[in-house]
This record gives sequence, C-alpha cells and structure tokens, in this order.
Amino acid sequence: DAGVTQSPTHLIKTRGQHVTLRCSPISGHKSVSWYQQVLGQGPQFIFQYYEKEERGRGNFPDRFSARQFPNYSSELNVNALLLGDSALYLCASSSTVYGETQYFGPGTRLLVL
Amino acid sequence: QKEVEQNSGPLSVPEGAIASLNCTYSDRGSQSFFWYRQYSGKSPELIMSIYSNGDKEDGRFTAQLNKASQYVSLLIRDSQPSDSATYLCAARLTGSGNTGKLIFGQGTTLQVKP
Repeated sequence: DAGVTQSPTHLIKTRGQHVTLRCSPISGHKSVSWYQQVLGQGPQFIFQYYEKEERGRGNFPDRFSARQFPNYSSELNVNALLLGDSALYLCASSSTVYGETQYFGPGTRLLVL
Repeated sequence: QKEVEQNSGPLSVPEGAIASLNCTYSDRGSQSFFWYRQYSGKSPELIMSIYSNGDKEDGRFTAQLNKASQYVSLLIRDSQPSDSATYLCAARLTGSGNTGKLIFGQGTTLQVKP
C-alpha cells in the first residue's frame, strides 16, 4: 500500500501570497493532521481532521485553514504569507481520531521570500 | 516549561555502542509516547510507541517509560552510522481530548562515529 503522499514537494512564494498544500492519507485512514516544522525544532500541530470534521486546532493564526474531502484527502491553506511561514509542512495519517500511530508524509518545503 | 523536553545534543557515540536518548514531559496524565527518527531533509519516521510503564523492545531499539518520573527514553543497541539522525520524542497529552494532537520535543541529534 502507498504511504502518505503530499504535493508539491517544494514551493517558493513571496510575502502576501497564498498557498495550498495537499495530502493523501494511507488507504483506509480517516484522520489527517497537519504539522509545521521550522528548522531546528520539532513539528508543531496545526490541525486535525477526522471524517471531514475539524477535531483539533493548534496555536496558529486564522491565516491558516484546512479542509478534508470525502475521499479523506486534505488541503492546508495559508493566506497572506509571512517570511516566518517558511518551514517544512508535514501531513500525518492515522486510522483513529485519537491519532495513535501517526505516519508522516514526505512533507512540503515552503520558502517565503 | 516546555511540555516535552529533549537535550538537542549532539550525542556522539562510537559504532557498536549503546546510544541513550532521553525525554521528559510535563503533563503527568499523558498516556501515549512516541519516538520518531528524522534524517536530514526528510520527514519523521515512526520507530516505536509506548503506553505502559516499563520497557518495550523492537530489534535494536528499546523504549522505556517511567510515568512517576515523567520520563521516556530510547536505547539503541549496537549503534550503526546509519542511525545518525535526529530523534524526536512525542507525547499525546491528556488535554488533547478527542484529538490526535502530538506534542514534540525539539529533537536530539545522534552521531554514530565509525
């Protein structure tokens, strides 16, 4: 079975632009979580979606939004990009809402200039 | 105080030695703990999960949990140069409710020297 997939792998944007990142979970997994990892730090929780409903939100501004589709894939949107949004954005897939055993995708590396 | 803390390292061990990685957490009620390995430029890869006090072994890896001391560790036996990576400790805190929110430490960089 395929693992978690994310697209694109790399992205360069300028300040003020918006970006959409995409994630497909492992087949059969209904939960998708998004994390932001800044260089030298551990991942920080942004959102969790389970069965198309938002189940958790981290301490991120309203510029960050997400949604989950009927096929359980997910999009993370970031508006009005800031330099500080430059990071590795990780999608994690799990079979339950409690997120036991989360598997990460390869990530999308975003650079904001 | 950070919720999950790790020494950033680097921790340097010779090939064949035991590497010991440590992690402490602040939420006494936390139930689930995870160790991830992350190679430079790559995404985290799950190594082990542990939920009960004591040891859990998987091949060369042993995770140890002591809830009274709020302490989690990962031992890597017979360390190999390919084990050189950043090791992330993560906890699912009791305040997470019905979510899968994981709190990560900043990671410990391990260097295994041939």
